[in-house]
Amino acid sequence: QKEVEQDPGPLSVPEGAIVSLNCTYSNSAFQYFMWYRQYSRKGPELLMYTYSSGNKEDGRFTAQVDKSSKYISLFIRDSQPSDSATYLCAMSDTGGFKTIFGAGTRLFVKA
Amino acid sequence: KAGVTQTPRYLIKTRGQQVTLSCSPISGHRSVSWYQQTPGQGLQFLFEYFSETQRNKGNFPGRFSGRQFSNSRSEMNVSTLELGDSALYLCASSLKLGLQGNTEAFFGQGTRLTVV
Repeated sequence: QKEVEQDPGPLSVPEGAIVSLNCTYSNSAFQYFMWYRQYSRKGPELLMYTYSSGNKEDGRFTAQVDKSSKYISLFIRDSQPSDSATYLCAMSDTGGFKTIFGAGTRLFVKA
Repeated sequence: KAGVTQTPRYLIKTRGQQVTLSCSPISGHRSVSWYQQTPGQGLQFLFEYFSETQRNKGNFPGRFSGRQFSNSRSEMNVSTLELGDSALYLCASSLKLGLQGNTEAFFGQGTRLTVV
């Protein structure tokens, strides 16, 4: 079993929809939870990160961490065609410097 | 300011050959980390260099190696290429070690390696 599981999709939604992207993990030592966005033929870029548990909001994006369920989510409100990309979750513990990535979910937002 | 530059962007090699990929970090960044991205396995950590020293290493065979120069530029080498080494190889540069909560780590566009 992988340390981080993420449904690869693809996920196709109409413009304006609320998108929910999720990852589950097995390592309870993870404390940093990140979401990256990767456009086609580009490298990943950090969207948001959360330390430990709780929610974090940045514009149309909200990241949630539920450590009791080992489950993290990224919500995108009022989705736009420009949000079409692959979204990668990633996690790290505080001691090591290795980050474990999910496989990525491909998102298509249709105009 | 200039971003992270990876060269070449695309590469086709034959099984058994070796290949060297280059990563030029953002000016002032001393950490360079390397990742392999494949559709099946996603993004996997290869190794990280800081000030010319390898600080962390992932679970890849010894055919994968790297180094960092005094100007922080880094190279990774894969010897005896296998078909399964076909992937997008990404590097990330940063002021500090690791990606955890690191808002100052930036990825390059990657080198697409195809082994035939």
